[in-house]
Amino acid sequence: NAGVTQTPKFRVLKTGQSMTLLCAQDMNHEYMYWYRQDPGMGLRLIHYSVGEGTTAKGEVPDGYNVSRLKKQNFLLGLESAAPSQTSVYFCASTRGYEQFFGPGTRLTVL
Amino acid sequence: LAKTTQPISMDSYEGQEVNITCSHNNIATNDYITWYQQFPSQGPRFIIQGYKTKVTNEVASLFIPADRKSSTLSLPRVSLSDTAVYYCLVGSPSTNAGKSTFGDGTTLTVKP
Repeated sequence: NAGVTQTPKFRVLKTGQSMTLLCAQDMNHEYMYWYRQDPGMGLRLIHYSVGEGTTAKGEVPDGYNVSRLKKQNFLLGLESAAPSQTSVYFCASTRGYEQFFGPGTRLTVL
Repeated sequence: LAKTTQPISMDSYEGQEVNITCSHNNIATNDYITWYQQFPSQGPRFIIQGYKTKVTNEVASLFIPADRKSSTLSLPRVSLSDTAVYYCLVGSPSTNAGKSTFGDGTTLTVKP
């Protein structure tokens, strides 16, 4: 099992550009999450999904959109990137009470 | 929404036992308490989870008093490799998915 994988690992954007982060899990988990982590801080929930075709807002959803067309994939989109979105993005999937995290995507917006 | 409070940082020495306490005064009846460990440039990793009393696994113990308003993660005989950030989460993934928060965690530094 690959567990939770994230693509890409690093990305640099200019203000106003758009991009999509891909999260994939091969554990057949229903719940998936997107977090962001700023330097020296904890993880903040952006969006989450409780199953294929469903999404919901988390703590900091503004400026992001998500889609869960397939159970194994959870996409995070930035329509018009801003410097405030410079962060490390983590995806996770859940089995019961345990969350399994991906390696993260380090995004810099100039 | 169950908020948690942890010390920002702790220092310890190799071989000592470390106890990190988390306060969660408004924990709900069906909430579980879960602890995660995060190393730099990695995603958090599950350590232990419990509902009440004491839970022990191969890496840690979790103590939860009867009122469940706090919990203590105990790491026996820490080593340098235990230097990490530790997060306490309160919630029930099946009933309130997405509503538990990580907070800023406790940065544990283990010294030789």
